[in-house]
Amino acid sequence: DTAVSQTPKYLVTQMGNDKSIKCEQNLGHDTMYWYKQDSKKFLKIMFSYNNKELIINETVPNRFSPKSPDKAHLNLHINSLELGDSAVYFCASSQGTSALNYEQYFGPGTRLTVT
Amino acid sequence: RKEVEQDPGPFNVPEGATVAFNCTYSNSASQSFFWYRQDCRKEPKLLMSVYSSGNEDGRFTAQLNRASQYISLLIRDSKLSDSATYLCVVRALGTGRRALTFGSGTRLQVQP
Repeated sequence: DTAVSQTPKYLVTQMGNDKSIKCEQNLGHDTMYWYKQDSKKFLKIMFSYNNKELIINETVPNRFSPKSPDKAHLNLHINSLELGDSAVYFCASSQGTSALNYEQYFGPGTRLTVT
Repeated sequence: RKEVEQDPGPFNVPEGATVAFNCTYSNSASQSFFWYRQDCRKEPKLLMSVYSSGNEDGRFTAQLNRASQYISLLIRDSKLSDSATYLCVVRALGTGRRALTFGSGTRLQVQP
């Protein structure tokens, strides 16, 4: 069973289009994330939701809009795609507790190419 | 200055060698530290957490030096399967901030 799944795995689209990426986790976690990994391999947090509530919103263009219909799903919609949006987008989840050490589980990634 | 800095490598070592990676972090409020491993075109996976007293997991040893703000990972008796990118990861304490700050990774290539 896949713990964190993303669809699609690959997405090739033209500039100006609108696209969505979906993420689902079956781990029962209460917190989900979107990360972007660019061509230089930097993995940067974009958004985080805890129990469907947005708790982290980094400096991301407002063309990116996350949506969490329930705590097992976190989708990412991108409007007016630009060349610079090409990257691998990773979804992740974790079980938030008061402990400082915990593990984030990542999905397989969605490789977005904007042409 | 980047929040988490790592030598990108690559570190090319023969099988059986011992190799060490260091990582420095800039935020003194950082509270949690991890090493993640990322294989080529795959997702990152937790390798080990790093505790203040240092910790070992088989061939892997992690150390934390809070005074100097660096973390290290030592791999003994390298295997071909250890070839991957090792990501140093830090989390700062703060309300609602459960996200992690990743270094850009150190690439290890173990050769036969």
